[in-house]
Amino acid sequence: DAKTTQPNSMESNEEEPVHLPCNHSTISGTDYIHWYRQLPSQGPEYVIHGLTSNVNNRMASLAIAEDRKSSTLILHRATLRDAAVYYCILRDDNFNKFYFGSGTKLNVKP
Amino acid sequence: GAVVSQHPSWVICKSGTSVKIECRSLDFQATTMFWYRQFPKQSLMLMATSNEGSKATYEQGVEKDKFLINHASLTLSTLTVTSAHPEDSSFYICSALDRPDYEQYFGPGTRLTVT
Repeated sequence: DAKTTQPNSMESNEEEPVHLPCNHSTISGTDYIHWYRQLPSQGPEYVIHGLTSNVNNRMASLAIAEDRKSSTLILHRATLRDAAVYYCILRDDNFNKFYFGSGTKLNVKP
Repeated sequence: GAVVSQHPSWVICKSGTSVKIECRSLDFQATTMFWYRQFPKQSLMLMATSNEGSKATYEQGVEKDKFLINHASLTLSTLTVTSAHPEDSSFYICSALDRPDYEQYFGPGTRLTVT
């Protein structure tokens, strides 16, 4: 069952940073935080994941709260190609299953 | 990143027939794969976990006799929708678990339409 809550939709201007929040107040010590995004009629695409420390990669940054009950995906400069549904998912380290929540639909305005 | 393929990308079948969907990990071996379904404007719903060499485990509420899963090799899992009905029409997506980093890589999905 999904253990994360995200806003249904967000809007951003092109070339500006975007902060996508996720609440996971029932997270356990062995849960990893994963972010994926999905374009219409495509499979989800990996964005980033982390456990406790903030993470950076070429696509985005992941900021994890000190108590791990929330996290924020940061797109540093949104482009039109970043318009998608973004899913924040907790992965149980024992079973490796993903239970998707409803996600955040990001709209990027030119 | 790792690549996962699905075949076919779309299929139309008549009510009462069976349809097989293949999921392949192209550049890594996957002892574990997952199957999801997604209805329009909804999120992905986990259906089952496919383990190579053993029986699949199904999520609560998913009929195992209707959705047959076979994980015959380290790179191939198949989902067969038996006696399909229009309500089975959906977008079916598989993923493969890459063990070194326990990351799931998703296939492009298969659009099933049952008429």
